[in-house]
Amino acid sequence: QKEVEQDPGPLSVPEGAIVSLNCTYSNSAFQYFMWYRQYSRKGPELLMYTYSSGNKEDGRFTAQVDKSSKYISLFIRDSQPSDSATYLCAMRGSGNTPLVFGKGTRLSVIA
Amino acid sequence: GAGVSQSPSNKVTEKGKDVELRCDPISGHTALYWYRQRLGQGLEFLIYFQGNSAPDKSGLPSDRFSAERTGESVSTLTIQRTQQEDSAVYLCASSLAEQETQYFGPGTRLLVL
Repeated sequence: QKEVEQDPGPLSVPEGAIVSLNCTYSNSAFQYFMWYRQYSRKGPELLMYTYSSGNKEDGRFTAQVDKSSKYISLFIRDSQPSDSATYLCAMRGSGNTPLVFGKGTRLSVIA
Repeated sequence: GAGVSQSPSNKVTEKGKDVELRCDPISGHTALYWYRQRLGQGLEFLIYFQGNSAPDKSGLPSDRFSAERTGESVSTLTIQRTQQEDSAVYLCASSLAEQETQYFGPGTRLLVL
């Protein structure tokens, strides 16, 4: 079993839809959870960052972490064509340690 | 300020040749990471530098891969005797010490023929 599992999609939704992206993980030592957005032929950019369990909201984006279930989610409200990208979950334990990434979910928002 | 930069942006090489990839981190960032992203795959950790500490090389896939960093500045990733399976995007990231946010460069797309 990989440390981080993420459905690669592709996921196609109409403009304005609510998008739900998810990752599961197996390492209970993970404490820091991130979502990166990667446009085609670009490096990943940090979208959301959360520590331990709970929710975090930033504009149209909400990140949720459920450590008891080892499950994290990213919700995108009122999705826009400009949200079309690959979304990568990433996580790690304490200290300045390397991130462990999911494979990424490719999202297309159709106008 | 300027973000992480990488060069070259694209590299095509023949099997068996050596290649050198360069990363310029954000000024003041003491931590620097190299990742590999194969087509349809997530990012795979390769090596990590933190200040003057010994680098964490635990992710390097073989002894054909090596990396160096001069102080807290430029890093180079070298792949010797390249193989076709080395074809991937090589991404560099940097972060401030003791902080969690890693900032990525645009990557170097390596194609080994």
